[in-house]
Amino acid sequence: KQEVTQIPAALSVPEGENLVLNCSFTDSAIYNLQWFRQDPGKGLTSLLLIQSSQREQTSGRLNASLDKSSGRSTLYIAASQPGDSATYLCAVRRGREGGSEKLVFGKGTKLTVNP
Amino acid sequence: GAGVSQSPSNKVTEKGKDVELRCDPISGHTALYWYRQRLGQGLEFLIYFQGNSAPDKSGLPSDRFSAERTGESVSTLTIQRTQQEDSAVYLCASSPFTGYTEAFFGQGTRLTVV
Repeated sequence: KQEVTQIPAALSVPEGENLVLNCSFTDSAIYNLQWFRQDPGKGLTSLLLIQSSQREQTSGRLNASLDKSSGRSTLYIAASQPGDSATYLCAVRRGREGGSEKLVFGKGTKLTVNP
Repeated sequence: GAGVSQSPSNKVTEKGKDVELRCDPISGHTALYWYRQRLGQGLEFLIYFQGNSAPDKSGLPSDRFSAERTGESVSTLTIQRTQQEDSAVYLCASSPFTGYTEAFFGQGTRLTVV
């Protein structure tokens, strides 16, 4: 059974800091890994998608890496801003087992960036 | 449409009533997912549809929960005889056919059972 763990559960940093969020998964048979952002009371916004064959993806101040063999991904946020405050979720799409390719989520990291 | 659309955005119902939640996926997306998120909790998988394949219903918590999808379009999640523990945000997502593609989420339906 695929399990996804995110560390830390919460993180508070001053504005301008670079930071790293961690995600680990137990089964390396995945199609891809996706990082999402969730603002309070809102749905999920997709940030980055990394295919199983890729090592990293970048979008603006965000960089996500994937080490499939060790079951780890990191989300690096450069020069953090108060607007980055949100809960960050990672999800893996598992390989086809019995035809289901559902997304398995971690519990998220709640980030607060203080002005 | 431009994104995944869910309706209603908010629903308050009395305990014991039935409710229907609707999800309109992005046009052309064959995969559709339903998740539940209780207050302060993570996302709990409910059901997954992929084209004409049999859906993965392994996450439905009880037989009070059911979901249908007509072809590659709208899906409805039905909760019968609602209980207070059903109160949560119900999130829908869709993605294109292959497993290598991005999933997009709707804004969710907040269900409150009183």
